Amino acid sequence: AQSVAQPEDQVNVAEGNPLTVKCTYSVSGNPYLFWYVQYPNRGLQFLLKYITGDNLVKGSYGFEAEFNKSQTSFHLKKPSALVSDSALYFCAVLGLDSNYQLIWGAGTKLIIKP
Amino acid sequence: ETGVTQTPRHLVMGMTNKKSLKCEQHLGHNAMYWYKQSAKKPLELMFVYSLEERVENNSVPSRFSPECPNSSHLFLHLHTLQPEDSALYLCASSQDQQGFNEQYFGPGTRLTVT
Repeated sequence: AQSVAQPEDQVNVAEGNPLTVKCTYSVSGNPYLFWYVQYPNRGLQFLLKYITGDNLVKGSYGFEAEFNKSQTSFHLKKPSALVSDSALYFCAVLGLDSNYQLIWGAGTKLIIKP
Repeated sequence: ETGVTQTPRHLVMGMTNKKSLKCEQHLGHNAMYWYKQSAKKPLELMFVYSLEERVENNSVPSRFSPECPNSSHLFLHLHTLQPEDSALYLCASSQDQQGFNEQYFGPGTRLTVT
């Protein structure tokens, strides 16, 4: 079955430190992977996606994600965290066996402390 | 802003009420979606419309009834809901319904069923 796992409910990082939000997936065929962010009282916003090509994908607000096929992971990273990065982050994978609809992770709450 | 608006932002309704949620997208997209977001759970896709035609209905109870009168507007009609239907309902749009393109989300309607 196709699935997405975000193993951490919450990640705490000090401002200025690097951050990583983890995502692993299970799909048949080549994966198409996405990260979205949700700020309080807002809808989700697209951050970045991997379709093909370079395994390191750069996105909005200085975020990047690394596609690792052997580990079936697509972790979100940022070299230096800002307090304003505090939000809920969702990983999603395009399910080719689910009529091309996104399969979502449960979300990871990222808290950046000053 | 994302170009997707939702009204109302908050709604409290009794189990015997009838209400409707409205979504409008100003992006010229061809696909629109309804999602249910509950705390610490993956987003649940409810309905997908492509060019005003419903293309996905993920086993949603009949007390939820969608309507898409044109490619810019999407409604979710609610009738005899249950307390477990309390959640954030998100509308989204994308260029097409194939899933490769990013989705643009509205801010959501926070629904409370009493």
